[in-house]
Amino acid sequence: RKEVEQDPGPFNVPEGATVAFNCTYSNSASQSFFWYRQDCRKEPKLLMSVYSSGNEDGRFTAQLNRASQYISLLIRDSKLSDSATYLCVVNPWSARQLTFGSGTQLTVLP
Amino acid sequence: DAGVIQSPRHEVTEMGQEVTLRCKPISGHDYLFWYRQTMMRGLELLIYFNNNVPIDDSGMPEDRFSAKMPNASFSTLKIQPSEPRDSAVYFCASSPTSNQPQHFGDGTRLSIL
Repeated sequence: RKEVEQDPGPFNVPEGATVAFNCTYSNSASQSFFWYRQDCRKEPKLLMSVYSSGNEDGRFTAQLNRASQYISLLIRDSKLSDSATYLCVVNPWSARQLTFGSGTQLTVLP
Repeated sequence: DAGVIQSPRHEVTEMGQEVTLRCKPISGHDYLFWYRQTMMRGLELLIYFNNNVPIDDSGMPEDRFSAKMPNASFSTLKIQPSEPRDSAVYFCASSPTSNQPQHFGDGTRLSIL
């Protein structure tokens, strides 16, 4: 089993839709969780950290479910500019460095 | 603030040649990472340094790959001899601690002919 698993998609949604991605992780001792965004032919960029109580940043909501070992990202009122690949990132404590998922591709259609 | 700086942005060379990729991390970041990204394999961690010391190089594909960090502001990833299957985007990233988010450079697009 991979340390971090994501549905690769692609997710094609109309503008204004709500879309959610899940990501599962295998190490129950994992301490830190992040969502990154990567545009085509660009570097990954931090979108938001994921906190135990869940957190929101504008149209984006991240949640952590430790019992089921998954994190989620919800995008409301999606914009064309949200089209990108979203990478789930986990820091397994024992490994000491971040582990990146393979990414979920999102295309928002006009 | 200056981010992670990588050079060159693009490199095209013939197989068998030596390739050197360079990275300047964000000042004050104690961790530096080298990644390779391809369509087939996604983002792979090659090696990372803590305070200029290599900590884990288990991701380095083979002996043709080597990385150094002679000081806190500079690192190199070298491929010698290069092969066509080394063609990929190579990213350098840095972070203040191992638990904090990593900041990526623009990447080097490497094509080995």
